[in-house]
Amino acid sequence: ILNVEQSPQSLHVQEGDSTNFTCSFPSSNFYALHWYRWETAKSPEALFVMTLNGDEKKKGRISATLNTKEGYSYLYIKGSQPEDSATYLCAFMNTGNQFYFGTGTSLTVIP
Amino acid sequence: NAGVTQTPKFRVLKTGQSMTLLCAQDMNHEYMYWYRQDPGMGLRLIHYSVGEGTTAKGEVPDGYNVSRLKKQNFLLGLESAAPSQTSVYFCASSPRTSGWKEQYFGPGTRLTVT
Repeated sequence: ILNVEQSPQSLHVQEGDSTNFTCSFPSSNFYALHWYRWETAKSPEALFVMTLNGDEKKKGRISATLNTKEGYSYLYIKGSQPEDSATYLCAFMNTGNQFYFGTGTSLTVIP
Repeated sequence: NAGVTQTPKFRVLKTGQSMTLLCAQDMNHEYMYWYRQDPGMGLRLIHYSVGEGTTAKGEVPDGYNVSRLKKQNFLLGLESAAPSQTSVYFCASSPRTSGWKEQYFGPGTRLTVT
């Protein structure tokens, strides 16, 4: 069994706060790391695909970093807004074409 | 474009019955995947396909079969449903490029096996 762990499990922040989550994955057989945003009653939507150690990606107020040597990725949200409320999933893809998802971090932004 | 669609949206089966879930995508994607999502667990890969006529096992393939006869369709079959297969099933697709691109997910199928 391959473990992809996300922390924290849930998070409540005030509107305007900045926040970050962690995704931990095996450092061996790494191919790619995906981040998805999953709103209630919708399907997961891709935020980032990261493949290289040291990768940094940014989309608006959301950014992510990747450390493949130690097996972690951080997702940052700057100035959280109520519309950022969702579950954020990471998925580790290994060199055997297998995807392993974490259980997600549930973010609630309080107006 | 409809993106990724799944049929049906909901289904209740009795133990031992069979059924097929249909996933269709209109984005000409090469890769397609079937996942199940259970409370307290992440999405778990059941089977996937890297092209028409090819399929491969994921993390939890037992009790399921798949077929990819047409590029746009990926079918997930349950030959003899068990209560342990009660779950929400998601299909996804992704394009083939020089690297593995993001997956596009369908809306899910909620299956209950009694």
